[in-house]
Amino acid sequence: DAGVIQSPRHEVTEMGQEVTLRCKPISGHNSLFWYRQTMMRGLELLIYFNNNVPIDDSGMPEDRFSAKMPNASFSTLKIQPSEPRDSAVYFCASSGGVGIQYFGAGTRLSVL
Amino acid sequence: ILNVEQSPQSLHVQEGDSTNFTCSFPSSNFYALHWYRWETAKSPEALFVMTLNGDEKKKGRISATLNTKEGYSYLYIKGSQPEDSATYLCAPKRSNDYKLSFGAGTTVTVRA
Repeated sequence: DAGVIQSPRHEVTEMGQEVTLRCKPISGHNSLFWYRQTMMRGLELLIYFNNNVPIDDSGMPEDRFSAKMPNASFSTLKIQPSEPRDSAVYFCASSGGVGIQYFGAGTRLSVL
Repeated sequence: ILNVEQSPQSLHVQEGDSTNFTCSFPSSNFYALHWYRWETAKSPEALFVMTLNGDEKKKGRISATLNTKEGYSYLYIKGSQPEDSATYLCAPKRSNDYKLSFGAGTTVTVRA
């Protein structure tokens, strides 16, 4: 298996633009997590999906952030409009039955 | 969100020396403790999942112990090598929760 695949690896955009981050989880995993890594907060959970259904989105910073999982093999995290303080590395992770989370390579987002 | 403390925040080790560091977490409703290794510019990778009080896990020169009654885990690196340089994250999981609560990590730098 190729592991968790995230795209793009790097994204540079201007303030106010829409940003869409993509994630393909490991086949057969039923849990998907979006995290954000910042210097101040470390690794913080944004949203958790189980069997494609959002279970907990309490970590989503504000209404500018939204996430979808239309099927078991694809998820998106969208920021609209983006702001400079959204600059961070965003990780997607998937998990199967035993709970180990497998992380993607991350998307480094820079909002100018 | 669980209060997870890792100490020290960072440490420097001479190549060949052994070291250890701590993860503290609430002992109530404990289900499992995960250790992840996170190299710079990469994504976190699972090292161990520990569930039972007194558990000891080993992977090469890295080992970990678990005390669920008092709520702590130690991670040991024997004969440190430069490739051991990374941030080591611990993440406890409660029995009634799907989430991992990541600590801020201990950053290990091994000097050649």
